[in-house]
Amino acid sequence: AQTVTQSQPEMSVQEAETVTLSCTYDTSENNYYLFWYKQPPSRQMILVIRQEAYKQQNATENRFSVNFQKAAKSFSLKISDSQLGDTAMYFCAFEGRKTSGSRLTFGEGTQLTVNP
Amino acid sequence: GAGVSQTPSNKVTEKGKYVELRCDPISGHTALYWYRQSLGQGPEFLIYFQGTGAADDSGLPNDRFFAVRPEGSVSTLKIQRTERGDSAVYLCASSPTMNTEAFFGQGTRLTVV
Repeated sequence: AQTVTQSQPEMSVQEAETVTLSCTYDTSENNYYLFWYKQPPSRQMILVIRQEAYKQQNATENRFSVNFQKAAKSFSLKISDSQLGDTAMYFCAFEGRKTSGSRLTFGEGTQLTVNP
Repeated sequence: GAGVSQTPSNKVTEKGKYVELRCDPISGHTALYWYRQSLGQGPEFLIYFQGTGAADDSGLPNDRFFAVRPEGSVSTLKIQRTERGDSAVYLCASSPTMNTEAFFGQGTRLTVV
């Protein structure tokens, strides 16, 4: 079974600064996807960024980038130029290719607060 | 519709009652997922449909939980003899096919009193 661990229950950052959210995972699979989702108070899970395990290059999406360390099973999210609208819960998630369908395994989440 | 729609948005029910939660996926999406998110935790997988059939229901916690998708579009999650421990946000997601990006609805917050 896969597990995903987020060791930071809460983080805060000043507007315009950079923050990094940590995530580690455990799996015996070699082919998988990793995700970061954002969940604002509206409850809807919004995909922030996705990384394919077989790609060595770290994914980037505008102000969001990841540091994917496959050997260490680490997948951190860096948010640059933080904005007030980035305040939300952030979940790291794993999807194994061998798993039936596309079931996601989520971490416990990190509450990020961006302060003005 | 433009996105995944879940109804009702909030549901309060008494212990022991039966509830149904509805999910309208994005039109044309064949894969549909249900997750349960307890307070302060990440979502946990319940069941996955590919078309009309439940391809994986290994996440359903017990036989009080059941889900259907009779025409391969709308899905209903059914909970019998509700318990206070069933209180959670129930999230639905859909994707064009399996192993593609999943789009989530805003969830139904179920409160059992």
